[in-house]
Amino acid sequence: EVVLTQSPAILSLSPGDRATLSCRASQSVRGYLAWYQQKPGQAPRLLIYDASNRATGIPARFSGSGSETDFTLTISRLEPEDFAVYYCQQRSNWPPFGGGTKVEIK
Amino acid sequence: DVQLVESGGGLVQPGGSLRLSCAASGFTFSSYEMNWVRQAPGKGLEWVSYINSDGTYIYYADSVKGRFTISRDDAKNSLYLQLNSLRAEDTAVYYCAREDLGYFHHWGRGTLVTVSS
Repeated sequence: EVVLTQSPAILSLSPGDRATLSCRASQSVRGYLAWYQQKPGQAPRLLIYDASNRATGIPARFSGSGSETDFTLTISRLEPEDFAVYYCQQRSNWPPFGGGTKVEIK
Repeated sequence: DVQLVESGGGLVQPGGSLRLSCAASGFTFSSYEMNWVRQAPGKGLEWVSYINSDGTYIYYADSVKGRFTISRDDAKNSLYLQLNSLRAEDTAVYYCAREDLGYFHHWGRGTLVTVSS
């Protein structure tokens, strides 16, 4: 079983700030990690897959990096619509999802 | 456009049953692996079950194993989840999600299951 630990649990930032979210795996998942954004009342949306590839239609301000056990999602300049909960997901084993990071307005 | 539309949720008593459906359109349903993912109120995402494209491989989360059954009907472009022996902790929004190379590229809007007496 691979456990994904996301930090921080809550990130309080202002529009225009840079956001850095972390996802750590309990064992190597190589580069097989994705990031999702979820807004209240909506389904999750895939942002990044294979650690650093943006999904279709995702703005360039979202970027992913990392490998093996340590991964980062960076939002270069927060737009008002970016305040949401973000989940990481690995495809190597089950359970796939981390616990989430809420990015809230400071 | 890919569309996934869940239905079948509702209020059910503990120990009861429900059958969730997910109607797929905009893609060749029979070619894709599918999953159910749930989210309890105010909580994170929990993967529930997986079925491969031809239905020969099926997996469940430990929390639902023996109580839930996933299935698919490619002729109807539909995915199903039979929920039996429901518990309060099964209360959640249930999403169906299309899997592409291990990731969930497309999601439905979800259907709410509430288990309460």
